[in-house]
Amino acid sequence: SQQGEEDPQALSIQEGENATMNCSYKTSINNLQWYRQNSGRGLVHLILIRSNEREKHSGRLRVTLDTSKKSSSLLITASRAADTASYFCATFKTGANNLFFGTGTRLTVIP
Amino acid sequence: EPEVTQTPSHQVTQMGQEVILRCVPISNHLYFYWYRQILGQKVEFLVSFYNNEISEKSEIFDDQFSVERPDGSNFTLKIRSTKLEDSAMYFCASTQAYSNQPQHFGDGTRLSIL
Repeated sequence: SQQGEEDPQALSIQEGENATMNCSYKTSINNLQWYRQNSGRGLVHLILIRSNEREKHSGRLRVTLDTSKKSSSLLITASRAADTASYFCATFKTGANNLFFGTGTRLTVIP
Repeated sequence: EPEVTQTPSHQVTQMGQEVILRCVPISNHLYFYWYRQILGQKVEFLVSFYNNEISEKSEIFDDQFSVERPDGSNFTLKIRSTKLEDSAMYFCASTQAYSNQPQHFGDGTRLSIL
């Protein structure tokens, strides 16, 4: 199966701390994307990292990709209460035309 | 910023009835998708659509499902005879290009089958 698995499943931190979420997948990919989902809402695209990239930054977000280990991590620095949401990694598999989503990490940032 | 819009936000239907979920993708996007998310589970791919035809579909997308782009703006998902297990959040997404572009998602339609 192509689906990614995130860990941890749930993460609770204090405002101002950093949050790290990890994602593993199983087959070769064109790119890996991270999405955020607030409760009951749609998925918001955060960042896309291509298979030939190792690290990417966007504001307080830092994503790494290790294709040899088939894993990625999302780091949110200086977290805020508004970062409370579920975070999903999704892989765009080589030769496919859709995203395979992971199981998600539920992040709670305590003010 | 352009958005993907979905209607209705919540649809309640009796089992066995047909339901049509509607989406308006971002106007200059070429690739369209439907995903679903059963409560508490991961987001699952249903179907992708390009150049007025299905380009890929998952095992979930059986003969009860169909998609259509009836005009230049709408993209619809039809479920012919709904089952209880079709209850889920259905998301439409669109993207400008085939690969290495983010997919933009709507806020979803919550489908409840009674």
